[in-house]
Amino acid sequence: DAGVIQSPRHEVTEMGQEVTLRCKPISGHDYLFWYRQTMMRGLELLIYFNNNVPIDDSGMPEDRFSAKMPNASFSTLKIQPSEPRDSAVYFCASGSTANTEAFFGQGTRLTVV
Amino acid sequence: AQSVTQPDIHITVSEGASLELRCNYSYGATPYLFWYVQSPGQGLQLLLKYFSGDTLVQGIKGFEAEFKRSQSSFNLRKPSVHWSDAAEYFCAVGARQAGTALIFGKGTTLSVSS
Repeated sequence: DAGVIQSPRHEVTEMGQEVTLRCKPISGHDYLFWYRQTMMRGLELLIYFNNNVPIDDSGMPEDRFSAKMPNASFSTLKIQPSEPRDSAVYFCASGSTANTEAFFGQGTRLTVV
Repeated sequence: AQSVTQPDIHITVSEGASLELRCNYSYGATPYLFWYVQSPGQGLQLLLKYFSGDTLVQGIKGFEAEFKRSQSSFNLRKPSVHWSDAAEYFCAVGARQAGTALIFGKGTTLSVSS
């Protein structure tokens, strides 16, 4: 298995632009997680899905952030409009349960200028 | 509220020396416990996990961790550190009830000196 695949690996965008991050989870995993990593706040859970349904989005910082999972093999995290404080590394992870091992992608480093 | 504390932000250890990274958790009941490692520019990789049973668990790359319920701790250890162990290490907890995601500590950066 190729593992969790995220794209792009790096994204630089201007403030106000829309940004879409993509994730392909490991085949057969029912759970998909989006995390954000910053120096100040560490690794924060933004949202997670079970069987393509959002279960907990309480970590989504504000309405500018949205996430979808249209099918079992694809998820997106969208920021519209983007702001410099959104600069971070965004990780997607998947697992067969919510509370045991999560398998992480390599992350997308987002820079908003 | 559930939380994970890693008291040490940065630790430097000489190559060949022993290592202990601290992790304390706050939870209503004994959670599932994990240690992950992150190399620069990479995602997180699972080192080891504790679900139940023997409180000393062995992981990959020669790491081990000990669960101490009385201290709410799950410290990571390695008897002899190699330069390739330099990375960031994260402790995480997961609730035993289904449907709750892992919560991570803020991480400890390990530097290895020669």
